[in-house]
Amino acid sequence: DGGITQSPKYLFRKEGQNVTLSCEQNLNHDAMYWYRQDPGQGLRLIYYSQIVNDFQKGDIAEGYSVSREKKESFPLTVTSAQKNPTAFYLCASSIGQGALQPQHFGDGTRLSIL
Amino acid sequence: KQEVTQIPAALSVPEGENLVLNCSFTDSAIYNLQWFRQDPGKGLTSLLLIQSSQREQTSGRLNASLDKSSGRSTLYIAASQPGDSATYLCAVPSGGYQKVTFGTGTKLQVIP
Repeated sequence: DGGITQSPKYLFRKEGQNVTLSCEQNLNHDAMYWYRQDPGQGLRLIYYSQIVNDFQKGDIAEGYSVSREKKESFPLTVTSAQKNPTAFYLCASSIGQGALQPQHFGDGTRLSIL
Repeated sequence: KQEVTQIPAALSVPEGENLVLNCSFTDSAIYNLQWFRQDPGKGLTSLLLIQSSQREQTSGRLNASLDKSSGRSTLYIAASQPGDSATYLCAVPSGGYQKVTFGTGTKLQVIP
């Protein structure tokens, strides 16, 4: 079955540590997105990529980094510069470029501070 | 800047009742509007996507309408069931259609 796989489902970060969240899709979608979801605040865009080897900052990119070396993979690194990383992180993809096509989501990674 | 609002934040109804969820957006120049469902601890599942040229879109017991001029969309759920309990979010393209702006969602509880 085609879909988006996020791993791990739960992740714990120590002070000063960088952690990487995995997102893999086998839908052959060009565009991929990372969102952060906090209670009562909806989804906020961290980074997005419309094509391999290119990505753009979203609304809350500070303290995060991404790479897009392969079409099917869009990992997100939460760096030590992100002082409040506790949240639910969602990866999404869409066919074609831009936000004009339906977005498909993974099941998320919940990140907590130890 | 596009802003998307969903009121109420939470809604509780008895099983079998028909209900309407609301979504408002500030910039009416949208290309489409999408409704999603989110179960606790899960990702979002796309329910319906309405193009700006459409006024309605239907899937089973769900019917979504779009009124661009008033900046509003509604999601109508007929004959609600306990399995419909979830958070429902709407979303519209923004930022030159490179991004999507989401509402904060309406948490629906259908009581058996």
